[in-house]
Amino acid sequence: RKEVEQDPGPFNVPEGATVAFNCTYSNSASQSFFWYRQDCRKEPKLLMSVYSSGNEDGRFTAQLNRASQYISLLIRDSKLSDSATYLCVVIPTGANNLFFGTGTRLTVIP
Amino acid sequence: NAGVTQTPKFQVLKTGQSMTLQCAQDMNHEYMSWYRQDPGMGLRLIHYSVGAGITDQGEVPNGYNVSRSTTEDFPLRLLSAAPSQTSVYFCASSYKTDRRSSYNSPLHFGNGTRLTVT
Repeated sequence: RKEVEQDPGPFNVPEGATVAFNCTYSNSASQSFFWYRQDCRKEPKLLMSVYSSGNEDGRFTAQLNRASQYISLLIRDSKLSDSATYLCVVIPTGANNLFFGTGTRLTVIP
Repeated sequence: NAGVTQTPKFQVLKTGQSMTLQCAQDMNHEYMSWYRQDPGMGLRLIHYSVGAGITDQGEVPNGYNVSRSTTEDFPLRLLSAAPSQTSVYFCASSYKTDRRSSYNSPLHFGNGTRLTVT
């Protein structure tokens, strides 16, 4: 079983829509969680960390569900500029490695 | 700070040639790593290092060597290039937010190297 699983999409949504992505992880001892955004032919860039209590940054909300071992990213009022691939990252406790999901491709349509 | 600097941005090799991808960071990060990214496969860890003189294998180390003689530099060597090594390569660095934790700060990525092996 993969350490991190993510629906690859693609998700095609109209502008203004709300869209949510989930990412499941297999190691219950995982400690740190992040969402990254990657634009075509560019390096991944940190979008937001995911905290146990959930956190929000403008139109973006990240949540962690430890019982079911998944993290989620909610994007409200989608903009054309949100079109990108969204990668989840999980770091197990005490590990020197971190694990990436394969990414979810989002396209926001005018 | 320049952050993580990768060179070259693009490279074309013939099968059997060798080359070194350079990676340097100026943030004094202990942790450095190399990933390759292929369509549908996501980012896969090749090698990583938790400090000068220390390296370890990741998920897909075969055909690649690394060394970490300084904190700043973490070059990736392709010993005998194969078409299967055609990919986009990213170098990344991070650090521990406290001594007891994993390397759990967000990764800082270089701009990537697009390698084609013919």
